[in-house]
Amino acid sequence: DQQVKQNSPSLSVQEGRISILNCDYTNSMFDYFLWYKKYPAEGPTFLISISSIKDKNEDGRFTVFLNKSAKHLSLHIVPSQPGDSAVYFCAAMSYGNKLVFGAGTILRVKS
Amino acid sequence: EAEVAQSPRYKITEKSQAVAFWCDPISGHATLYWYRQILGQGPELLVQFQDESVVDDSQLPKDRFSAERLKGVDSTLKIQPAELGDSAMYLCASSSTRGVNTEAFFGQGTRLTVV
Repeated sequence: DQQVKQNSPSLSVQEGRISILNCDYTNSMFDYFLWYKKYPAEGPTFLISISSIKDKNEDGRFTVFLNKSAKHLSLHIVPSQPGDSAVYFCAAMSYGNKLVFGAGTILRVKS
Repeated sequence: EAEVAQSPRYKITEKSQAVAFWCDPISGHATLYWYRQILGQGPELLVQFQDESVVDDSQLPKDRFSAERLKGVDSTLKIQPAELGDSAMYLCASSSTRGVNTEAFFGQGTRLTVV
C-alpha cells in the first residue's frame, strides 16, 4: 500500500512559468514532509521541508504548501528554469525518522 | 561541505555472486538508511539504523541481504547471492537527530547491474 503518492508521472512547463508538483499521503502519523530533486545517476538532493504544524514554507524560488485536512502537499517553483529539469520526490517522515518516498514526478522545463 | 560517501559508484556482477556496498555517513549523524531505487520508482527503504542498532529492516530480503553498522559509523550492505532482479540503484542516507524530524542527506549511490 503506497503511503505517499505522486499521481503525475511527468510535468512539462515553459521557462519562467510556475511549476506545481503535487503529493498526497495516507498515513496520519506523518508529521514532517520533504521534497528532493534527483538527476540521473546521482543521489537525491534535499530541497525544502515543512513541519505538520505549518501550512507554508518558502525558500527562494521554492515554496511548499501543506493541507493537513486533505493530506495533500504541493511544491511550487517560480520562476521555473531549465536547470530545474529533474525528477522530484515527495517524502514523508513519522516518529523515529522513518522516511517514506513517493514514486516521483519528472519535471521538464522548456526554454 | 560534509557529504555521505558511498562506494563503489558502479558495480557489475554475475548472478549468484556476492556483492557489497559501503557507506560513510556525515560525521555525527546517528541515523543511517539504505534505500533501493528501481528506475521509474521512488526509493524503497531496505534498512534503517539508529547508531549501531537496526530500527527497521522489515523490507530487507533477509534470505540474501544483510546490513551492518558495527561501530555506529560506517555501514556495509551485502547481497549473497545476487539475482537479476537486484539490478538497481542502492542509496545510503544519513540524518543527525535522535527522535526529532529533520532532513536526510543522500550519497551518490551505487548502480548495481547483475548479469
